[in-house]
Amino acid sequence: DAGITQSPRHKVTETGTPVTLRCHQTENHRYMYWYRQDPGHGLRLIHYSYGVKDTDKGEVSDGYSVSRSKTEDFLLTLESATSSQTSVYFCAISESRPSEQYFGPGTRLTVT
Amino acid sequence: GESVGLHLPTLSVQEGDNSIINCAYSNSASDYFIWYKQESGKGPQFIIDIRSNMDKRQGQRVTVLLNKTVKHLSLQIAATQPGDSAVYFCAENSSEYGNKLVFGAGTILRVKS
Repeated sequence: DAGITQSPRHKVTETGTPVTLRCHQTENHRYMYWYRQDPGHGLRLIHYSYGVKDTDKGEVSDGYSVSRSKTEDFLLTLESATSSQTSVYFCAISESRPSEQYFGPGTRLTVT
Repeated sequence: GESVGLHLPTLSVQEGDNSIINCAYSNSASDYFIWYKQESGKGPQFIIDIRSNMDKRQGQRVTVLLNKTVKHLSLQIAATQPGDSAVYFCAENSSEYGNKLVFGAGTILRVKS
């Protein structure tokens, strides 16, 4: 998976709790992305980063925040998890924009 | 593994045959296109890309064709193998999208042995 790891790989949490997902890359790529994947919706962009401390919203950013304090790490936080945020979350990286994005293995999150 | 698309179109091909997966994209201003393959329980894997100044690009066993007139993209897989069974996504990029990829819903490819 092109030097991308995601943690945790699986998580079950309760409604209303905060959750943080981590993406770590060893490729030194500038751009990092968080997507969610749901049946019938394909991959949808939540947030992305174009450098350390530089982030922007995607199409489904409500209820999510991100942070990037180092080139290699991009964190996704669900401030107060809801059942609608049950999904598979993928991190991706790219060297430039537009260019191919390489995806991590995914995190399956279940909110009960 | 998890199903990523319960109602996706499905293409079934016999092992050894050629496969053609189609994608209609939405934005005539899109200038860059990618095909991804996603196996069950894994992240999408880059296959091949093409820019709008080209109409064909070949890789190993794969060819992407771009028809800008009708906004159509296709992925051809030669001599399809069981390991090609997966969901295939096309994605487009346009400056109108803020240079972010927009993904299609995907097509399931099933290879019969």
